Amino acid sequence: QKEVEQNSGPLSVPEGAIASLNCTYSDRGSQSFFWYRQYSGKSPELIMFIYSNGDKEDGRFTAQLNKASQYVSLLIRDSQPSDSATYLCAVTHNDMRFGAGTRLTVKP
Amino acid sequence: DGGITQSPKYLFRKEGQNVTLSCEQNLNHDAMYWYRQDPGQGLRLIYYSQIVNDFQKGDIAEGYSVSREKKESFPLTVTSAQKNPTAFYLCASSIVGGQNTEAFFGQGTRLTVV
Repeated sequence: QKEVEQNSGPLSVPEGAIASLNCTYSDRGSQSFFWYRQYSGKSPELIMFIYSNGDKEDGRFTAQLNKASQYVSLLIRDSQPSDSATYLCAVTHNDMRFGAGTRLTVKP
Repeated sequence: DGGITQSPKYLFRKEGQNVTLSCEQNLNHDAMYWYRQDPGQGLRLIYYSQIVNDFQKGDIAEGYSVSREKKESFPLTVTSAQKNPTAFYLCASSIVGGQNTEAFFGQGTRLTVV
């Protein structure tokens, strides 16, 4: 069974702080890794994806991938109250599997 | 506008009934997926398809059925064998191959058993 694990949280950070979200996966054949944000009652929306080891930055977001450790993370710098949502990690290898999500709250 | 459309947005099912959820995409994507989401939970894969007339079971396929007769369409039937169908159902599509196989989602169907 392909497993994608995330800390369910909730994670609470003050406005302006760095939020760190983590994800591990079991399938060593996994090819691409995605972070989605989901607001309550809405569909997930893509934040960013990564497929090679190392860091990838996009604005306030940085994704980090370590395939040897089967670990992917998302850092959110200068967190804003509007970042409060559930963050879903997704992994692809023929299909796309999601973790249970981490609920993030950014307090003003 | 290109996109993925799910209908209906809300659906009510009586005990013992089969219901079908619609999913249509005009993104020319080969892959399509169905997920189930329960309150406070992540997305669990029900079925996926990478090509017309072929589909694969996900982790929770029991009590569900799908068809892929056209590239654009991937309907999901929730059968009476699914004992706890109340959930939020999400359909998604993506390209096949390459590194950026981003899944594009529909707006979801909220199914309630009454």
